[in-house]
Amino acid sequence: RKEVEQDPGPFNVPEGATVAFNCTYSNSASQSFFWYRQDCRKEPKLLMSVYSSGNEDGRFTAQLNRASQYISLLIRDSKLSDSATYLCVVNSFNAGNMLTFGGGTRLMVKP
Amino acid sequence: DTAVSQTPKYLVTQMGNDKSIKCEQNLGHDTMYWYKQDSKKFLKIMFSYNNKELIINETVPNRFSPKSPDKAHLNLHINSLELGDSAVYFCASSQDPMALGVLWAGELFFGEGSRLTVL
Repeated sequence: RKEVEQDPGPFNVPEGATVAFNCTYSNSASQSFFWYRQDCRKEPKLLMSVYSSGNEDGRFTAQLNRASQYISLLIRDSKLSDSATYLCVVNSFNAGNMLTFGGGTRLMVKP
Repeated sequence: DTAVSQTPKYLVTQMGNDKSIKCEQNLGHDTMYWYKQDSKKFLKIMFSYNNKELIINETVPNRFSPKSPDKAHLNLHINSLELGDSAVYFCASSQDPMALGVLWAGELFFGEGSRLTVL
C-alpha cells in the first residue's frame, strides 16, 4: 500500500462546478498535511496547509479526518485556471520531518 | 530573480553516459533536496542536505551522487545512465524542518525541474 494515495483522475468539470478530491495516508503518526498544486510541466507549489479544524482559502477548503486518515480538498466555482494536478502531501516528524507526496489528482476545468 | 534555479532544463543523453544537474537557491535556506518525478508523476525524495551535510539518502543507486559545496548549492551527478533514469529531477529548498519541528510550515520551494531522457 502506498503511503499517500489519491485517485489520479482526470476529473473533468465545467467552469463553475464544485469538485472535491480525497486522499488517504497510511502512517497514523503523520502530523501535518498539505495540498500542493502542479501545473503541466511545471514545478509543484504549496497551495495550502490542512489544519485539524479544517480551513478555507477563498474558493478552496481543506479538511482533515485523522480517525479515518484522509484529507480532502474542495474547490468551489471552478475556474479554467484551476486546471492542474493537486498533490496531497503528508509530513511525519518521526520520519525526520520528511514530506511524502501522493501521486496527484488531475483536474481539467472546461469552458 | 529566480529563487531556486537548476540547470540544464532538458538533458538528452545515451545510456552509459555520465551527467550532472546543478541547483542553486538564493532564499537563504539551510536545507536542500533532490526529488525524482517519474512518468507516473510520483514525486520521490532522493536526498536531503542540511548545511552541506547529508541528512536523507533514500534507496537510490550509488550511481547517483549529490554534492553540496555550500548551503546554497546542491548538485546531482549521475554515472552510467540507464533507461530507467529518465524522469524529471526537481531540486528544492526549505527552512530547516528538523530545527523548526512542529513549527515547520511544510513549504518546499522547487526549481523548474530538469527533464532527463536516456536513449
